[in-house]
Amino acid sequence: KQEVTQIPAALSVPEGENLVLNCSFTDSAIYNLQWFRQDPGKGLTSLLLIQSSQREQTSGRLNASLDKSSGRSTLYIAASQPGDSATYLCAVMDMDSNYQLIWGAGTKLIIKP
Amino acid sequence: DTEVTQTPKHLVMGMTNKKSLKCEQHMGHRAMYWYKQKAKKPPELMFVYSYEKLSINESVPSRFSPECPNSSLLNLHLHALQPEDSALYLCASSQGGFSSPSGNTIYFGEGSWLTVV
Repeated sequence: KQEVTQIPAALSVPEGENLVLNCSFTDSAIYNLQWFRQDPGKGLTSLLLIQSSQREQTSGRLNASLDKSSGRSTLYIAASQPGDSATYLCAVMDMDSNYQLIWGAGTKLIIKP
Repeated sequence: DTEVTQTPKHLVMGMTNKKSLKCEQHMGHRAMYWYKQKAKKPPELMFVYSYEKLSINESVPSRFSPECPNSSLLNLHLHALQPEDSALYLCASSQGGFSSPSGNTIYFGEGSWLTVV
């Protein structure tokens, strides 16, 4: 059964720093991996989707990588800003779970001004 | 336009009421989803419609009844709910349904906050 883990559960860094959020999964039989952000009391915003055949995707200051063989993905945020404060969730679309997303518990990120 | 619109944003209902949550997308997406999210937890899948047919029902109690009137609309009818059903209900959509899962970015709405009293 697929399990997705995000470490750390919470992270607080000063503004301007580059940072990395981690996501690991136990079964490499996935269609894709998606990173989302969720602001308090709000819905989820899709940030990046990496298909299983891809190694990375970039959008602005965000870069997500995927290493299926080691079951890992990272979300790199460059030059962090207070507006980046949110909870970041990763989710994999697993081949064995009827196209459902399997979610990590999220990393709560706080960027201090 | 990558917008999924949900109404109402907030709903308070009694345990004997009947109400509905509504979701709309105009991106031409053929898969639409209902998720339930409790505080500080990831979303839990409830229902999936693919090409307007119910494809997945994750053993959700019958007091929740989904409906997909057309390819742009998704409703969730609520009846005789319990206080433990209070949560954020999220609607989502993706382009290709189950025929092309690899490139299926899933877009979420802002959610409907439901409180059952």
